[in-house]
Amino acid sequence: QVQLQESGPGLVKPSETLTLTCSLSGGSIGLYYWSWIRQSPGKGLEWIGFTFEKAGTNYNPSLKSRVTISADRSKNQFSLRLTSVTAADTAVYFCAKYNGVFNAFDIWGQGTMVTVSS
Amino acid sequence: QSALTQPASVSGSPGQSITISCTGTSRDIGGYNYVSWYQQHPDKAPRLLIYDVSSRPSGVSSRFSGSKSGNTASLTISGLQPDDEAVYHCCAYTSATTARLFGGGTTLTVL
Repeated sequence: QVQLQESGPGLVKPSETLTLTCSLSGGSIGLYYWSWIRQSPGKGLEWIGFTFEKAGTNYNPSLKSRVTISADRSKNQFSLRLTSVTAADTAVYFCAKYNGVFNAFDIWGQGTMVTVSS
Repeated sequence: QSALTQPASVSGSPGQSITISCTGTSRDIGGYNYVSWYQQHPDKAPRLLIYDVSSRPSGVSSRFSGSKSGNTASLTISGLQPDDEAVYHCCAYTSATTARLFGGGTTLTVL
């Protein structure tokens, strides 16, 4: 069974770059779509984007200019890079597996809180 | 692109049934059967309940069912139990940007 675990700094300064990593166990990074989703305090979920080795990347248009999602097959992990962060990027960030057969996010990491503050 | 529209809250008593709606447009819910629903308990990750409008993954109770009419998808929970108290999120594919849209989430209170 695939399991996901996010890691990264809990505090990022405004204008800097947020980088998070999702480590995968119980599966291969090359087989599925891998996604990042965030949830601002008290708000709904927001899809950030996903990467799939065979098809490239797809990003939320509202974040596309600042986002990079990439996968590292050798480490069996994928990462999120979000540049020029502001307080509006403060959120819990989840990594998730997107099941292309179900057309749904079927496995989620536990989430990691990131606060943007000086 | 706008998020999908869900009611902020719904409530019901144990044993009753409730329905949560999720409204979009013809470019997302109305145009494709790629609608999914998630349950999220406080401080937990979301859990997939329904995919492709009305299919349940293995391990999800048959008390959860999904449907769609026009641009609106619905999640029905029958035989409400205290543990059903959670936030429910809908999600859909949109052809406008090939993105994935989420609703704002609906808080279910079991009275």
